[in-house]
Amino acid sequence: EVQLLESGGTLVQPGGSLRLSCAASGFTFRSYAMSWVRQAPGKGLEWVSTIARGDRTYYADSVRGRFTISRDNSETTLYLQMNSLRADDTAVYYCARDIKVNCAGDCPPDYWGQGTLVTISS
Amino acid sequence: SYVLTQPPSVSVAPGQTARITCGGNSIGSKNVHWYQQKPGQAPVLVVYDNSDRPSGIPERFSGSNSGNTATLTINRVEAGDEADYYCQVWDSSINHWVFGGGTKLTVL
Repeated sequence: EVQLLESGGTLVQPGGSLRLSCAASGFTFRSYAMSWVRQAPGKGLEWVSTIARGDRTYYADSVRGRFTISRDNSETTLYLQMNSLRADDTAVYYCARDIKVNCAGDCPPDYWGQGTLVTISS
Repeated sequence: SYVLTQPPSVSVAPGQTARITCGGNSIGSKNVHWYQQKPGQAPVLVVYDNSDRPSGIPERFSGSNSGNTATLTINRVEAGDEADYYCQVWDSSINHWVFGGGTKLTVL
């Protein structure tokens, strides 16, 4: 059974840093592109970042230069390092797995975690 | 950047057909994916690549895509279909995922 379990969400002051983790199990982690998608309270879905085939990384304009996506295939864990956090980064952050193996970043996610809440406030 | 436009809300009576649209410039040339999200839950992929269904998704859910509009169709709507629905495409010009603003489906 595919499982994705996010952790690391908490309350952080503006300008601070945080690292989110997503522990994956039930599939060959290294074969799949993985993404982070966030949802601000009461708002819609917003794509954040994807790490795809060959560890190519892609970022939304709103987070490029502040966030870094990475993965540890030996630990089957996806990460999101978030720096210079702002109030508008407040959201539930979901990690998600692509529907197909070895995608170049353009395959939709079919498995999602339950999310972890990041709150940026002083 | 590429913009996807969805109606904020759609209402339908039980047993009827719901159609949720997703507009975008020449969206017919892209693969469109649809997600269902119920309150407090993670999104669920219900249609991908315009018209394919992941395993476990009822046949009542279908999709089409042509010209400037993609459509998610839900036949024989049930109370349990009440949720927010989002369309999504990959903008290959800038290698970004794009989501529509979401449509709240209300079952009357």
